[in-house]
Amino acid sequence: GAGVSQSPSNKVTEKGKDVELRCDPISGHTALYWYRQRLGQGLEFLIYFQGNSAPDKSGLPSDRFSAERTGESVSTLTIQRTQQEDSAVYLCASSLAPRSTDTQYFGPGTRLTVL
Amino acid sequence: SQKIEQNSEALNIQEGKTATLTCNYTNYSPAYLQWYRQDPGRGPVFLLLIRENEKEKRKERLKVTFDTTLKQSLFHITASQPADSATYLCALPQAGTALIFGKGTTLSVSS
Repeated sequence: GAGVSQSPSNKVTEKGKDVELRCDPISGHTALYWYRQRLGQGLEFLIYFQGNSAPDKSGLPSDRFSAERTGESVSTLTIQRTQQEDSAVYLCASSLAPRSTDTQYFGPGTRLTVL
Repeated sequence: SQKIEQNSEALNIQEGKTATLTCNYTNYSPAYLQWYRQDPGRGPVFLLLIRENEKEKRKERLKVTFDTTLKQSLFHITASQPADSATYLCALPQAGTALIFGKGTTLSVSS
């Protein structure tokens, strides 16, 4: 079956512009996560969605970052007024249920470059 | 704060040897630990999960140990192959169900 998909795969933008990154989770997966991976670094948790519950936004680095999810489907991560330090690969993952031991399935990521 | 360290950024071994990767953590008592594999340009892929009450877990040529006293997990690949070359990440649960990831160890297996 289809895995987690993300678009675009690459995004180059100018400093100060807004960007939207999209994630399509695996059908039926109720939990969705966004992570950021800077070059040579580990994955950094950004935000977590579970069904209709309020999202866990504890990892968002600033108020320029926001994310939405429609029901249990597509999610978009928006970065406003991008800065060069936002350059990274943004990874989305989904899991079947929010049990802590559930395997997270990752998409291929969106590589964001802010010039 | 919680911290994960994967001791080696890079590990180079010969085909057929056993690769051993280390994951240490501090300020933390996780209920479980996960290992992922990440290939260039791709997202991480789940390999194994080991719980705090399990000393060892095996899957084909992979073996993971979890020592909660030492706060350490070891990840072994036996009879390594060039196809095992990748970056391996350990991950621990933080609040909710999000994961804290280590920076990873890049394994290169030469034939």
